[in-house]
Amino acid sequence: NAGVTQTPKFRVLKTGQSMTLLCAQDMNHEYMYWYRQDPGMGLKLIYYSVGAGITDKGEVPNGYNVSRSTTEDFPLRLELAAPSQTSVYFCASSYDRATYEQYFGPGTRLTVT
Amino acid sequence: KQEVTQIPAALSVPEGENLVLNCSFTDSAIYNLQWFRQDPGKGLTSLLLIQSSQREQTSGRLNASLDKSSGRSTLYIAASQPGDSATYLCATESYSNYQLIWGAGTKLIIKP
Repeated sequence: NAGVTQTPKFRVLKTGQSMTLLCAQDMNHEYMYWYRQDPGMGLKLIYYSVGAGITDKGEVPNGYNVSRSTTEDFPLRLELAAPSQTSVYFCASSYDRATYEQYFGPGTRLTVT
Repeated sequence: KQEVTQIPAALSVPEGENLVLNCSFTDSAIYNLQWFRQDPGKGLTSLLLIQSSQREQTSGRLNASLDKSSGRSTLYIAASQPGDSATYLCATESYSNYQLIWGAGTKLIIKP
């Protein structure tokens, strides 16, 4: 199993550009999550999904969009990137909430200039 | 609103020492509390998950405790090794939503 994979690993965007961060998992997990981590801070939840076709906002959803057309994939879309979106983005998945651990991808380091 | 705090932000100890990392939270109505390890440039690895009905969990040299009434959890690492050097984060999940609320982490350095 590859676990949770994220692409790209690094990206530099100019303000106003758009991009999609890709996340895939091969563990057949229903739950998937997108987090961002700013330097010296904990993670903040951007969006999550409890199954294909079902998504919901987390703590910091503004400026982002997600979709979940399959169990395996959970892409995060940044529209009109802003310098405030400079961060490390982590995707995670879990079999269920609460009683099962979350598995994390290696992260995408995004810089918006 | 739940707030999770980890003190100290950084800790450096000699190899072989037993140590305790602290995590405090303001809202005791939690579903679970999890401890994670983060290595530089890598993702996070779940170490221990304590459900709200449990008082502690153990995995190898790691032991995590949970005291909801005082809003505290501790991660005990026995016989520390240089390979334990990493940032350790705790996170709580509430009953009302699916969000994990995270502390900022404790950066641990184990000196050989």
